Amino acid sequence: GEEVAQTPKHLVRGEGQKAKLYCAPIKGHSYVFWYQQVLKNEFKFLISFQNENVFDETGMPKERFSAKCLPNSPCSLEIQATKLEDSAVYFCASSLFSGLRSYEQYFGPGTRLTVT
Amino acid sequence: RKEVEQDPGPFNVPEGATVAFNCTYSNSASQSFFWYRQDCRKEPKLLMSVYSSGNEDGRFTAQLNRASQYISLLIRDSKLSDSATYLCALDNYGQNFVFGPGTRLSVLP
Repeated sequence: GEEVAQTPKHLVRGEGQKAKLYCAPIKGHSYVFWYQQVLKNEFKFLISFQNENVFDETGMPKERFSAKCLPNSPCSLEIQATKLEDSAVYFCASSLFSGLRSYEQYFGPGTRLTVT
Repeated sequence: RKEVEQDPGPFNVPEGATVAFNCTYSNSASQSFFWYRQDCRKEPKLLMSVYSSGNEDGRFTAQLNRASQYISLLIRDSKLSDSATYLCALDNYGQNFVFGPGTRLSVLP
């Protein structure tokens, strides 16, 4: 598609429950990025993919968080056993290219996760 | 020192004013720079890329100063619709983006 699509828009989970978020990048974009934005506006990079391969996972918490981009499927970000501090808006972005020169990233509308 | 710093504001300016924001960065290896605007917890929307020679798009002008490691955004003839948070972003060794904390702008009637 012409825009990055993210589902669901809102997700409410009790502490300890699993949360799964989805992202479909712009058609033709081979890079996908996940960011977490908490209240103070700070964006935290989580993970990026080049097609279905992990490109950079330096921001990914070691526990509970996992992500995949499989062929012909939306990318997903999964949080096992959610905690209150996972409450945030999770943005997905896609770009044509990353690496030696970063191209513009285009963002999806985000998924607002509330952990109660 | 933080990787990317911005004055959080808010900058409260009257309609028609000219306002400028700076964004300083610490990674001298960064090659790509961008300005995004974000409205009220919605997704960041790309405003403009920032090139070494500086670039202009209508009322918006972006500059890059590599020697002093900052980028700037100038908005002329501010409109009410310019009220938003302005985020600078730069590449982190050519991989993910590092975002600044954002500068809030309120344009007042």
